[in-house]
Amino acid sequence: SYELTQPPSVSVSPGQTARITCSGDALPKKFAYWFQQKAGQAPVLVIYEDTKRFSGIPERFSASSSGTVATLTIAGAQVEDEADYYCYSIDSSGTFYVFGSGTKVTV
Amino acid sequence: QLVESGGGVVQPGGSLSLSCVVYGFNFTDFGMHWVRQAPGKGLEWVARISYDGTNKFYADSVKGRFTISRDMSKNTLFLQMRNLRIQDSGLYFCAKPTAGVWGQGTTVAVS
Repeated sequence: SYELTQPPSVSVSPGQTARITCSGDALPKKFAYWFQQKAGQAPVLVIYEDTKRFSGIPERFSASSSGTVATLTIAGAQVEDEADYYCYSIDSSGTFYVFGSGTKVTV
Repeated sequence: QLVESGGGVVQPGGSLSLSCVVYGFNFTDFGMHWVRQAPGKGLEWVARISYDGTNKFYADSVKGRFTISRDMSKNTLFLQMRNLRIQDSGLYFCAKPTAGVWGQGTTVAVS
């Protein structure tokens, strides 16, 4: 079955840049999405269609995708950005969706 | 807004049916998904159904045991779960993930 691979954790000091990668074989042809989830809350869409910031998401969040790797960047990370982040995409057949394993961001 | 219900405690091998009522957008226009999260674990995509209910797809972990369906007249999404296992325990979300629409989830405990 299809898998998306993320690092388990990323740690930065406030004001620094955090980068989270997501690797998947189908990413060259399928969009990546990024979700933020804080403890006890439903996930929040941060980035859709590889690079587009969702409504209400601060400008410090951006994303890119190149080849088999999608990257979420938090420029000037804030304490309130501490959360789990998940990438999300679909397999090459366009049938089965999958979440990455998640990355815990500590600021 | 999505409002899930139907969670509860069930013994292994038992059944449970989840519901999700959709408010505020045209339910008939969109495919819908169920996503779950085991306690302390990551998000897991479970199933999806096309906008018209004709196409249904399942994660390997639930295929043959879970059935997703929708009732257009009631703006409601369903997930019928049979032969439940301990590892099916968790918070079940109704969602249209790529549109950023999520419910608050309903908890299933298989014990």
